[in-house]
Amino acid sequence: EDQVTQSPEALRLQEGESSSLNCSYTVSGLRGLFWYRQDPGKGPEFLFTLYSAGEEKEKERLKATLTKKESFLHITAPKPEDSATYLCAVQASGNTGKLIFGQGTTLQVKP
Amino acid sequence: EAGVAQSPRYKIIEKRQSVAFWCNPISGHATLYWYQQILGQGPKLLIQFQNNGVVDDSQLPKDRFSAERLKGVDSTLKIQPAKLEDSAVYLCASSPRRDRGIIQYFGAGTRLSVL
Repeated sequence: EDQVTQSPEALRLQEGESSSLNCSYTVSGLRGLFWYRQDPGKGPEFLFTLYSAGEEKEKERLKATLTKKESFLHITAPKPEDSATYLCAVQASGNTGKLIFGQGTTLQVKP
Repeated sequence: EAGVAQSPRYKIIEKRQSVAFWCNPISGHATLYWYQQILGQGPKLLIQFQNNGVVDDSQLPKDRFSAERLKGVDSTLKIQPAKLEDSAVYLCASSPRRDRGIIQYFGAGTRLSVL
């Protein structure tokens, strides 16, 4: 069964304190791994798509990496506005485009 | 470009009542998804449409949930009758197609509370 597990569930950082969020996945044929950001009361907002092991993508203070079993979202020198829930999702083999989400990591960055 | 529109934003009903949610996807997007997000969990796909045809409804509780997408544009999701465990945020998403790696764009969701 396709499955995505994120850790930790919650993370508190001081402004400027770098850290990483983990996304472990089990999927029958990975077509893509997605990172989304979700603010309270809003829908998920797309951040990155990764396709193959070794691939990396960056956007401002965020960097996403991918291995054959997991993905990391590295946050460098975070700011309070980076506080949000970060969701990881995989698109498995097949032609539906369906995303399977993890439970998310809620990040709080204190000034 | 306008995003995915959903209404209402909030709905409170009593168990055994009926409720309907509406979604207007991004213009030109052929694929439309309905997800259920229970508090503290990630979104779970309920049903997926390609134009006005159903692609995947394997996780839709068909005894109480129904959905349609007339004319391949707007969509409605209905729950009848509602149960306490249906309390969740219902998210609508759309994408131009369902290819590998295609991005899904989400609406703000409808928060349903069943009392």
